[in-house]
Amino acid sequence: DQQVKQNSPSLSVQEGRISILNCDYTNSMFDYFLWYKKYPAEGPTFLISISSIKDKNEDGRFTVFLNKSAKHLSLHIVPSQPGDSAVYFCAATSKGAQKLVFGQGTRLTINP
Amino acid sequence: GAVVSQHPSRVICKSGTSVKIECRSLDFQATTMFWYRQFPKKSLMLMATSNEGSKATYEQGVEKDKFLINHASLTLSTLTVTSAHPEDSSFYICSASRGAGYPETQYFGPGTRLLVL
Repeated sequence: DQQVKQNSPSLSVQEGRISILNCDYTNSMFDYFLWYKKYPAEGPTFLISISSIKDKNEDGRFTVFLNKSAKHLSLHIVPSQPGDSAVYFCAATSKGAQKLVFGQGTRLTINP
Repeated sequence: GAVVSQHPSRVICKSGTSVKIECRSLDFQATTMFWYRQFPKKSLMLMATSNEGSKATYEQGVEKDKFLINHASLTLSTLTVTSAHPEDSSFYICSASRGAGYPETQYFGPGTRLLVL
């Protein structure tokens, strides 16, 4: 029972363009969502988060959008840079809880 | 950012042996540590939550006698895979929490790749 799904295993984007990574969830109890970036042989590092009371959160080149009715969130990276090439995981949790439920990850490749 | 280390980074063992993986928070005290397992091209699956000085809480379907967790101090948690079998081969990642209620304060280790022959 995959409660958090990232249906695109990989994505290739030209440098300078926008990268859009998508994530869907099924559990309506989730009210806090996070994106992590992972390089090979390293643990995931926190990128950006969003609470269910918001529909958008922006941090520099990274913006996360949340559509609660569709149970969908997306991460926008603009402009994309070669250093953004990594695996991106979305994760969900409930407020006050520490347990994270992860998606399968999307491998982003930024082409020069 | 906070640093979490894992040791070893990679281990190969024979079927039937036990393997211990260490997770350390290097520059902060972690009251709670988490152990995840990742299968190839799959998500990180939470195995258990461990609090310092108390028994770990295991997720449904995770055998507590198979995966022994000890959180002996605020900076160290260990996962022992007992009587390992080839199906236990996986990538194991720990995380350490710096503050309750703030998921962003969960810092991940680099992971340990276990291969059981």
